[in-house]
Amino acid sequence: EDQVTQSPEALRLQEGESSSLNCSYTVSGLRGLFWYRQDPGKGPEFLFTLYSAGEEKEKERLKATLTKKESFLHITAPKPEDSATYLCAVDNTDKLIFGTGTRLQVFP
Amino acid sequence: GAGVSQSPRYKVAKRGQDVALRCDPISGHVSLFWYQQALGQGPEFLTYFQNEAQLDKSGLPSDRFFAERPEGSVSTLKIQRTQQEDSAVYLCASSLGSSGGGFTQYFGPGTRLLVL
Repeated sequence: EDQVTQSPEALRLQEGESSSLNCSYTVSGLRGLFWYRQDPGKGPEFLFTLYSAGEEKEKERLKATLTKKESFLHITAPKPEDSATYLCAVDNTDKLIFGTGTRLQVFP
Repeated sequence: GAGVSQSPRYKVAKRGQDVALRCDPISGHVSLFWYQQALGQGPEFLTYFQNEAQLDKSGLPSDRFFAERPEGSVSTLKIQRTQQEDSAVYLCASSLGSSGGGFTQYFGPGTRLLVL
């Protein structure tokens, strides 16, 4: 059964304290792994798509990497505005299967 | 350009009432998806359209849930005889791709449904 597991469930960081979020997945045929950011009361906002092991993508303080079993979202020198829930999802024959997310809080 | 829009943003329904939720996808997007998100959880797939054809409705929880996209653009998710367990955020997403997967899905703001 296709499955996505994210860890940790919640993460508190001080501003400037770098860290990584983990997304472990099992899927019969990976067509894409997606990272989204979700703020309270809003829909998920697209961040990255990764298609094959070894691929990396960056955007500002965020960097996503992919292996055959997991993906990491690295946050470098986070700011309070990076506080949100980060969702990972895999593409399973045109539908996304999501993890439960990592709730990130960055405090000054 | 304009993103995915959904209406209403909030809906309060009495148990047993029928509700209709609307989704306007990004113009030109072939595929449209509905997801249900419970509090503290990730979105869960409900159904998928490619143009006007409903290709997958395996995630619909019961026959009280019905979705349509008659002209291949706007979609409506209808819930009949609402129950308290239907309370959730209903998210709509659209993507440019038609098949084969791997296309990015762009989400709307969601409709928050509360059934009393």
